[in-house]
Amino acid sequence: TQLLEQSPQFLSIQEGENLTVYCNSSSVFSSLQWYRQEPGEGPVLLVTVVTGGEVKKLKRLTFQFGDARKDSSLHITAAQPGDTGLYLCAKGGNDMRFGAGTRLTVKP
Amino acid sequence: DADVTQTPRNRITKTGKRIMLECSQTKGHDRMYWYRQDPGLGLRLIYYSFDVKDINKGEISDGYSVSRQAQAKFSLSLESAIPNQTALYFCATSDLTTRRIFGPGTRLTVL
Repeated sequence: TQLLEQSPQFLSIQEGENLTVYCNSSSVFSSLQWYRQEPGEGPVLLVTVVTGGEVKKLKRLTFQFGDARKDSSLHITAAQPGDTGLYLCAKGGNDMRFGAGTRLTVKP
Repeated sequence: DADVTQTPRNRITKTGKRIMLECSQTKGHDRMYWYRQDPGLGLRLIYYSFDVKDINKGEISDGYSVSRQAQAKFSLSLESAIPNQTALYFCATSDLTTRRIFGPGTRLTVL
């Protein structure tokens, strides 16, 4: 059983579309991180959210931490082929746990 | 130069062989980690170390051992490899924040 459930598992969209991916858990987190992983590389940190209800923006990416700090979402506006990759959420802590990820493909 | 390097990048071995995966970092971080990645399961923590004298088991440590030879080096060993240890292995480092900096990974295949 995954501590962190990510949905959808796969997502394929056309360039210019908007999308949202989700990270959910029954546990409360002290913090949550989002990473992006490209083929042949290790994950790279995109953002850390700490406060319930927090919203952070990174160019076309908007990250939200749920009020109860049990869930998070990542919204991408006007997706581009360069956004293609595996998006992973992870709960903070010494033994950081990761979700299984959402594999996003953006077609030109 | 990369902050975190892993060797080898690819390895094919046979069941029962002993394998060592090596990780080096130039970040000066005290904390180092080993993860494995399998399709549909995400990244799972094998072992982690907060300094040279500290070793901690993660969620899937059975069948693995580690050695922290120096602040900059953390190696992962499979004493007797088995096919279900076929996976992508990632080393990572962090400072006192929770941000992980990952290496490029090692693709291990056990036949």
